Parts: sequence; structure tokens; C-alpha cells
Amino acid sequence: NAGVTQTPKFQVLKTGQSMTLQCAQDMNHEYMSWYRQDPGMGLRLIHYSVGAGITDQGEVPNGYNVSRSTTEDFPLRLLSAAPSQTSVYFCASSYFGDEKLFFGSGTQLSVL
Amino acid sequence: GEDVEQSLFLSVREGDSSVINCTYTDSSSTYLYWYKQEPGAGLQLLTYIFSNMDMKQDQRLTVLLNKKDKHLSLRIADTQTGDSAIYFCAESIFKGANNLFFGTGTRLTVIP
Repeated sequence: NAGVTQTPKFQVLKTGQSMTLQCAQDMNHEYMSWYRQDPGMGLRLIHYSVGAGITDQGEVPNGYNVSRSTTEDFPLRLLSAAPSQTSVYFCASSYFGDEKLFFGSGTQLSVL
Repeated sequence: GEDVEQSLFLSVREGDSSVINCTYTDSSSTYLYWYKQEPGAGLQLLTYIFSNMDMKQDQRLTVLLNKKDKHLSLRIADTQTGDSAIYFCAESIFKGANNLFFGTGTRLTVIP
């Protein structure tokens, strides 16, 4: 069991570039989510999904897109990166309604 | 929206008890969680408490909940150097860990 796998671990982008952060889980979890972690601000929810084909916005969705075509994968897309999106991004998954959220090891993104 | 506050830093000597505090504003919080983040890793669930409980004990961990004051604490008995990490409290108004609101995190440093 690999758990929640995020790629890449590190990424540097220039302002205006686009990229996709990948997230995959092998636990057959219905619920998947993306958080960003900024110093002094904790983790904030960007987008989430309760199953394939279903996505919704979290607390800070602007500048990010998601899709959920399979149960396993939940990619996060930055269409036009901005310096304000410099952060550490975490993907997490769980069985829907379960108390335990499983986290990936994070992607550190810098936008110059 | 929900607001979850924690102090940023705590230092304790090895063998002493650590108490990490958290306050939240949403009185409809249903579940309250404590997560641990070690350097370079994702968050791991330590324990959680349902809002109709006052206390929960799990080996060296004791969680206290004061609903009237909206105050949550995590006590770690006999703190070890391996407990050095960032500790996040989080709350949810729904059953389960979906769409959590996290605090800012408390960095615990254990001095040998």
C-alpha cells in the first residue's frame, strides 16, 4: 500500500506558467482534497471531491482547477501561476465520513 | 468562516509533560482533531474527540475539551525527543474528517 502519493516533491515556476500537481491514492477512498500550507496560517482547503466526477470548492479555490475522472487520481492545476501561490501543497484522502484523513508528503512550489 | 487559533511555539525538557492549546470559534464543531507533522512529511492523525466528550486518553496523549470556552488541549506525558514536530488542531462541523479547518500549528521543541 503506497497510501497517498504526490508528485513532484519540489517545483519552481515562473509567473504565468501552468502546471499540474499530481495526487494518487490506492486505498479506494471516496473523498480527496487539496490543502495549501503557508507559514502562520495553517492548512487551508482549496478543492475537494467526494467521488469520481464530483468536485467542489474549498476556502481558497481561486487560481486552481481540479477534476476527478477516476477514484484514484485528483490532480490540481495552476493555469497561470502567481507568486501568491508559492506554498506547500498537500493532497489528502479518506473514506467519506471517516475520522481519519491520510496525507501525502507534500509538494513545495515556488513561483518567481 | 471558522477560526482556529494556536500559539506558534512551545519548548519543553525531555521527560516533562507538554500541553498544546487550541481555541476555536464555531460552536457547531462536531469533531475536533489533533494532527502531527514531522519535518518534510505530511500530517498524521494523532487523536480526535467528539463534541459530546470532555476528555479522551490514548496512551501518553490526553485531550481535554471545554465546549463552553471553545478550548481544546493536547497533553503529551513524558515528552520524548521524537515528539518534536508541529501539532495542528482541526475542527469539522460534519461527521468525519472531510473539509477540516486547521489551526496555525504549534511547533513543539523537546530539549534533551
